[in-house]
Amino acid sequence: AQSVTQLGSHVSVSEGALVLLRCNYSSSVPPYLFWYVQYPNQGLQLLLKYTSAATLVKGINGFEAEFKKSETSFHLTKPSAHMSDAAEYFCAVSAENQGGKLIFGQGTELSVKP
Amino acid sequence: DAGVIQSPRHEVTEMGQEVTLRCKPISGHDYLFWYRQTMMRGLELLIYFNNNVPIDDSGMPEDRFSAKMPNASFSTLKIQPSEPRDSAVYFCASRSGGRSNQPQHFGDGTRLSIL
Repeated sequence: AQSVTQLGSHVSVSEGALVLLRCNYSSSVPPYLFWYVQYPNQGLQLLLKYTSAATLVKGINGFEAEFKKSETSFHLTKPSAHMSDAAEYFCAVSAENQGGKLIFGQGTELSVKP
Repeated sequence: DAGVIQSPRHEVTEMGQEVTLRCKPISGHDYLFWYRQTMMRGLELLIYFNNNVPIDDSGMPEDRFSAKMPNASFSTLKIQPSEPRDSAVYFCASRSGGRSNQPQHFGDGTRLSIL
């Protein structure tokens, strides 16, 4: 079975500060990992994905994530927060034995202070 | 390119009424997923289809919920009779086939309120 844990349901940073959103996963087989962003009244939008190629993955809007197998982590970072980054962020895991299903974490709401 | 299209965007109806939510997946995608999002339970997978065939409906809450995919470009999620606890945002997502490393693409959701 697979699972995802996002540490911190709310994270607040100042504009220009580092953004770090934490995600830990559990998987009995090699995982595929995804970060999605959800803006108010919208659906989820793919930020980036890890699919067993490079462990450091770059996504849209300046975000990146690093797959660390030893720590079973896939934390999302951005060097400098922008006001427009305020949103809900979801980490998700899939694998070849999951029939295409994504298992989502509970989400982390990011607030950016001026 | 057109993304996943859901209708209606908002639905307000009274308890006991039938509700039908609609989804048009991205052309060429052969997987379709229905999710429900609430504050209490987060994002829940209700059911998903592959090539129009339901594969896993273990997330469907109860018999009041049903989903169909009559063809590759259309799916419906029906609630009959509706109850206030069904109030939530319902999302449809689709993805192309092949390996499970393909991302899902989400629609903008239907915000359902049952009075």
